[in-house]
Amino acid sequence: AQSVTQLDSQVPVFEEAPVELRCNYSSSVSVYLFWYVQYPNQGLQLLLKYLSGSTLVKGINGFEAEFNKSQTSFHLRKPSVHISDTAEYFCAVGQETSGSRLTFGEGTQLTVNP
Amino acid sequence: GAGVSQTPSNKVTEKGKYVELRCDPISGHTALYWYRQSLGQGPEFLIYFQGTGAADDSGLPNDRFFAVRPEGSVSTLKIQRTERGDSAVYLCASSLSGGKQTQYFGPGTRLLVL
Repeated sequence: AQSVTQLDSQVPVFEEAPVELRCNYSSSVSVYLFWYVQYPNQGLQLLLKYLSGSTLVKGINGFEAEFNKSQTSFHLRKPSVHISDTAEYFCAVGQETSGSRLTFGEGTQLTVNP
Repeated sequence: GAGVSQTPSNKVTEKGKYVELRCDPISGHTALYWYRQSLGQGPEFLIYFQGTGAADDSGLPNDRFFAVRPEGSVSTLKIQRTERGDSAVYLCASSLSGGKQTQYFGPGTRLLVL
């Protein structure tokens, strides 16, 4: 079975600072990975995804993530955050042998302070 | 274009009652998913439809939960004899097809069982 661990439940940072949100997964087979963002009282919005190929993936709003198979990680990064990036971020993993279901981590609350 | 919509946005019911939650997927999407998100947790998979049929219902917690998608578009999640532990946000998502396709989420239905 697949699982996802988001190592930090809360990450406070100052505006314009860099940020990294960590995600590790466990799976015995080939996986594909997503990062979603959830703003208050809104649905999940896709930030970026890794399906195959290049391990560095760029998404919306200046975010990027790197797939590291040897470390089973898919950390999310942004070089300079804005107040508007304050939200809950979820890492999710799918695997071809599990059909189309996604397994989500517990989320990381990013709070950007002025 | 229109995204995934869910109704109602909020539902308050009493323990033991029956509830129905509705999901309208993005037009043309053949795959539809239901997830449940408890407070402070990531979404948890419930069921996946491909067309009219449930391709994977392994996430349904017990036989009080049932979902249908009779015409391959709108889906209804049905919960019988609700319990306080059923209180959560119920999320619906759709994708163009199954597999690695991006899942687009609706805003959710917040269910509170008193």
